[in-house]
Amino acid sequence: SAVISQKPSRDICQRGTSLTIQCQVDSQVTMMFWYRQQPGQSLTLIATANQGSEATYESGFVIDKFPISRPNLTFSTLTVSNMSPEDSSIYLCSVLIDEKLFFGSGTQLSVL
Amino acid sequence: QKEVEQNSGPLSVPEGAIASLNCTYSDRGSQSFFWYRQYSGKSPELIMSIYSNGDKEDGRFTAQLNKASQYVSLLIRDSQPSDSATYLCAARDYKLSFGAGTTVTVRA
Repeated sequence: SAVISQKPSRDICQRGTSLTIQCQVDSQVTMMFWYRQQPGQSLTLIATANQGSEATYESGFVIDKFPISRPNLTFSTLTVSNMSPEDSSIYLCSVLIDEKLFFGSGTQLSVL
Repeated sequence: QKEVEQNSGPLSVPEGAIASLNCTYSDRGSQSFFWYRQYSGKSPELIMSIYSNGDKEDGRFTAQLNKASQYVSLLIRDSQPSDSATYLCAARDYKLSFGAGTTVTVRA
């Protein structure tokens, strides 16, 4: 597995603002993903963070709302833009190692 | 139809009993299957992976896979209060799809 550090661990934000979540992995990984877990629900894939190129977004998620950076093989950021209360969720960074998916500690976001 | 379906629970079992969790998947192309444990307020933790038909045992956990029936299960033997959590089933073809999870409560 790997040590996957995410920050912030939680934040409370105002409507209309943006928050950038950072994900740092202790080893180089090719595949890195961002998931969302809304209250009481399972995990939904937002996008695959591709190193050196634009992220690949799943249906229902767009780059303008969730811009992602992946400058190298150990780091990625997810920005939640122009937030609304509907964006209140847990956001999880994850990496694929040996065909297994491992998760960071998560960022709990509350939008007022 | 959801890609991965689980009994939502909650499932309540007495300490020391066997907890049985079930999962079905719709994509016959799925090749890899996983069980994650998620404690309240924490991120999911991988506890089992299974790739071929049959049983796979790891400590108190046994995963069972039947590709013909598109069915995956997880047995937790000698359940402990520390096993109280939500268990997520996941199936992977070209991407990983998660079920909604089954909440397990182990009664002391």
